Amino acid sequence: GAGVSQSPRYKVAKRGQDVALRCDPISGHVSLFWYQQALGQGPEFLTYFQNEAQLDKSGLPSDRFFAERPEGSVSTLKIQRTQQEDSAVYLCASSVGVNTEAFFGQGTRLTVV
Amino acid sequence: AQSVTQPDIHITVSEGASLELRCNYSYGATPYLFWYVQSPGQGLQLLLKYFSGDTLVQGIKGFEAEFKRSQSSFNLRKPSVHWSDAAEYFCAVRTGNQFYFGTGTSLTVIP
Repeated sequence: GAGVSQSPRYKVAKRGQDVALRCDPISGHVSLFWYQQALGQGPEFLTYFQNEAQLDKSGLPSDRFFAERPEGSVSTLKIQRTQQEDSAVYLCASSVGVNTEAFFGQGTRLTVV
Repeated sequence: AQSVTQPDIHITVSEGASLELRCNYSYGATPYLFWYVQSPGQGLQLLLKYFSGDTLVQGIKGFEAEFKRSQSSFNLRKPSVHWSDAAEYFCAVRTGNQFYFGTGTSLTVIP
C-alpha cells in the first residue's frame, strides 16, 4: 500500500480483556517498529523486527505484551489482561532498512476502562 | 545512553512570523536525525532528515533544520509560519534498532 496501515483506529477494552492490534507496513520494508505514546508524551519504543525476526523487545513493559511478524510483513501487537495503564496510542512504523527514515501509521488509540 | 531534549514544551507564534524549534541530542557517534510533525489524532509525518553531508537540510512544507555537531543540536526552522503548521513537533535520533524521541514541542499559531 501507499503507507503504513493500522487497525483498528480506536479500541475500547474492559480491564482484563485481551486485545490485538494490527500493522500493515509499506510493502518491501524490512524493518518494523512498535511504539507506545501516552497522552502528551513522545513515542516510547516497544519492539523492533527485521523481516520476521524480533531483534529487540527491550521496550515491552511486561510479559503481557507480545508482538509477532510471522511472514515478515504484517505484524500484530497483543496485550493480554489489559490494565488501565495500557491506555495509550500504539504506533507502528516501517523503514526500508537500518539507519533510514521510518514511516508511521496513524496509530491505534487503546482505552482500557 | 541516547537521549533527545526539546527544551520548549509549548511555543506560540503569530502567523507569518519566523519559527525555530530547539532540539539537542546525546549520542556518541554520528547521529541520524529527524523531525516529525503530528497533528491531533494522527500519526507522525516525516518533515526532514539528516544522515550526513550538508548540515543544512531542507524538508517538506518549507521547513529546514541545521545540524551543529559542536552544540549537539538539530534545530528546526521556518521563515514564515502558516496557521496550518499548528501541531506537535518531535525531534528524533535513530541508532540501529530504535528511534529515540523528544517529548515534543506544541506549536500554536495565532492570526
